[in-house]
Amino acid sequence: SQTIHQWPATLVQPVGSPLSLECTVEGTSNPNLYWYRQAAGRGLQLLFYSVGIGQISSEVPQNLSASRPQDRQFILSSKKLLLSDSGFYLCAWSDPNEKLFFGSGTQLSVL
Amino acid sequence: GEDVEQSLFLSVREGDSSVINCTYTDSSSTYLYWYKQEPGAGLQLLTYIFSNMDMKQDQRLTVLLNKKDKHLSLRIADTQTGDSAIYFCAENRNDYKLSFGAGTTVTVRA
Repeated sequence: SQTIHQWPATLVQPVGSPLSLECTVEGTSNPNLYWYRQAAGRGLQLLFYSVGIGQISSEVPQNLSASRPQDRQFILSSKKLLLSDSGFYLCAWSDPNEKLFFGSGTQLSVL
Repeated sequence: GEDVEQSLFLSVREGDSSVINCTYTDSSSTYLYWYKQEPGAGLQLLTYIFSNMDMKQDQRLTVLLNKKDKHLSLRIADTQTGDSAIYFCAENRNDYKLSFGAGTTVTVRA
């Protein structure tokens, strides 16, 4: 069966520090991968998606970047965090029937 | 604004039925989904419906789809305290991406 792992679960970072969130998927090959952000009390905003290694599409201009160095690994990064980067970050993968399966999320607080 | 719209809050008494409503905009969506999010957790896929269906039932869950009005609803029968969560409606847009509503927070009271 397929599983998705996302870490860390919580992260507190100072403004201006770098960020690296990692997500890996097991039990499937060549999945579509996604990074979403959920601000407090709001819906989900798609940040990045990837249909293959090295292929990254950005949905909104922002302070963040994404990379896919391996087929089942998706990384969300920033060189210098802003206060507005705080939020709940969710990684997800989709199956051929276009259902999305989410990781457990990372609560990022930028102070 | 959101492509997918849903009411933000719903309060229901334990044992009653809950109905969560959603409207979407993309008439070409082939799938529509309901996700559940418990506090501090990721989203769990509850159920989904193909756009060529009007209704889908899965145990206590009933999904109704009105394509003409672009209206989707989720009915939870015999609502329990464990059903308290945020429920998200989502549509796919035939371009690898799902568009989510802002979520409906369901509170089950004794």
